[in-house]
Amino acid sequence: DQQVKQNSPSLSVQEGRISILNCDYTNSMFDYFLWYKKYPAEGPTFLISISSIKDKNEDGRFTVFLNKSAKHLSLHIVPSQPGDSAVYFCAASPIIQGAQKLVFGQGTRLTINP
Amino acid sequence: DADVTQTPRNRITKTGKRIMLECSQTKGHDRMYWYRQDPGLGLRLIYYSFDVKDINKGEISDGYSVSRQAQAKFSLSLESAIPNQTALYFCATSQSSGLSYNEQFFGPGTRLTVL
Repeated sequence: DQQVKQNSPSLSVQEGRISILNCDYTNSMFDYFLWYKKYPAEGPTFLISISSIKDKNEDGRFTVFLNKSAKHLSLHIVPSQPGDSAVYFCAASPIIQGAQKLVFGQGTRLTINP
Repeated sequence: DADVTQTPRNRITKTGKRIMLECSQTKGHDRMYWYRQDPGLGLRLIYYSFDVKDINKGEISDGYSVSRQAQAKFSLSLESAIPNQTALYFCATSQSSGLSYNEQFFGPGTRLTVL
């Protein structure tokens, strides 16, 4: 049973426009959410995170929105740049006894077209 | 130098062989993790270790074992490899800090093919 779902395997966006990546989760115990970015032949790298006590977190061109009632989060990239082309993974974690076990979505491949 | 290194980066082996994947880190973190990535399934947790004496099973531990030889080293073994263990394997580290969350740092991955 997939607890974290990214229903779009791929997304293509024009350079300079907004990229919106979506993620849904089912487990109400999740209270911390992260986005990781992965280039080919490299490991995932942390991009941005949000705690369940917030509904928005912003870091430069990247903003993550959390809608707890809908169990949905999204990553906005504005403006999109060619270097943003990568696979993006949504991940969630329950903080239980300090545990940091990440549950990942399937990933969305973002392509930024010049 | 990379903070989290994995060896080998690529490995092709045959069914039934014993394989060990190694992970080393220079970040000084106490927590280490092994994940596998399969197409369409994202990353799934195999084992995790909160310190040298603490090892825990993850979501998909069957067919795997681990060893935490030192704080900086965490090895994953496939005792008898089978074709459906063909995947991309990632090691990760993080630093404990009570109930606060700290990001995990990933190695570059090991691509394992079992024929």
